[in-house]
Amino acid sequence: EAEVAQSPRYKITEKSQAVAFWCDPISGHATLYWYRQILGQGPELLVQFQDESVVDDSQLPKDRFSAERLKGVDSTLKIQPAELGDSAMYLCASSLQGIYGYTFGSGTRLTVV
Amino acid sequence: TQLLEQSPQFLSIQEGENLTVYCNSSSVFSSLQWYRQEPGEGPVLLVTVVTGGEVKKLKRLTFQFGDARKDSSLHITAAQPGDTGLYLCAGAAGSARQLTFGSGTQLTVLP
Repeated sequence: EAEVAQSPRYKITEKSQAVAFWCDPISGHATLYWYRQILGQGPELLVQFQDESVVDDSQLPKDRFSAERLKGVDSTLKIQPAELGDSAMYLCASSLQGIYGYTFGSGTRLTVV
Repeated sequence: TQLLEQSPQFLSIQEGENLTVYCNSSSVFSSLQWYRQEPGEGPVLLVTVVTGGEVKKLKRLTFQFGDARKDSSLHITAAQPGDTGLYLCAGAAGSARQLTFGSGTQLTVLP
């Protein structure tokens, strides 16, 4: 069964350091999403890509967060510098057609100390 | 911004009991999805409802979309410990190609 791959699964970093997360969507899925989820709460959208283009990054804290999907396939989300409040699960999802077939990866659990 | 409110936030029940989780909004959604998430994993899709008044059943789980497409419910019959997890509703408004998630209901089923 096709999966969305994310790495690393866990990341501990000191505040003010840079951190990066990687996502490889299901093959053929043109739409890729990055969500942030605080423990016990629902995911919140950070950025949405359609192929290599950003469709929505209105909720992305652009002073410290950046995201790219250069070839329209895999994607990287970066935080620089990390702050204590960035501790959360970062989830990547991809879909073939809009909101249908939304599939999530297992996420990256970030702890900032 | 479309907000989805889920209730209750936490629910702890004994095995064999029935339960209902609610998802409410002041906005109209073109479709609504329910997910279950286990600790340390991503959400997994359970069902998608698109028509007002629609009812879907998945074994012991029954999902209903409100007539006005502003609310939904998830009913579990004879809950089992394996049903434990975070239940999330998520909606898409109009032609939106992204989902907005509710705050989640953490369900614990005790053996």
